Amino acid sequence: DTAVSQTPKYLVTQMGNDKSIKCEQNLGHDTMYWYKQDSKKFLKIMFSYNNKELIINETVPNRFSPKSPDKAHLNLHINSLELGDSAVYFCASSLSLGPGELFFGEGSRLTVL
Amino acid sequence: AQKVTQAQTEISVVEKEDVTLDCVYETRDTTYYLFWYKQPPSGELVFLIRRNSFDEQNEISGRYSWNFQKSTSSFNFTITASQVVDSAVYFCALIHNQAGTALIFGKGTTLSVSS
Repeated sequence: DTAVSQTPKYLVTQMGNDKSIKCEQNLGHDTMYWYKQDSKKFLKIMFSYNNKELIINETVPNRFSPKSPDKAHLNLHINSLELGDSAVYFCASSLSLGPGELFFGEGSRLTVL
Repeated sequence: AQKVTQAQTEISVVEKEDVTLDCVYETRDTTYYLFWYKQPPSGELVFLIRRNSFDEQNEISGRYSWNFQKSTSSFNFTITASQVVDSAVYFCALIHNQAGTALIFGKGTTLSVSS
């Protein structure tokens, strides 16, 4: 079983559309994250949740809305997609808030045309 | 403010060469943690090591070794006798020992090992 799984792995869509990426972890962790990796491979934190509560929201446009229905799931919904949203989005989890190891999903490559 | 700098954007070596990837960090906190992650061409992020700010002992794991020096705010990573499978992007990262913070990554160093 994959520890942190994301779907879909690839997503190609048109500008202006709305799309979602789902993430699930089966590690029993309390904390989950979304990171964005741009075309230059730079990884930047977007959001973190701890036990369904939003902890970090890093100056991300409000077109991005994370939702955590329970502590094992953290989904990312993006409205009105723009060309600049094209990136690889990584979900991750850690045991709890604090400096623990992050376990990453395989990434979801979003291409906006 | 916290920051991680990986000044080497790309490094190319031939198999069996030793290679060192540099990482310099900035933080005002006394308690923090440093990480290295590997991202092979397949794209996943693989955890390599975590080191806390109070433990300056160097670490060796097989062909991998890490040199942590607080005096120079560096946490360098050396691969001995590199192999083609070591080709990847390597990220150094920093996090403070506070709830509500997240890993801050450097921009990564792309290592290419040719046969």
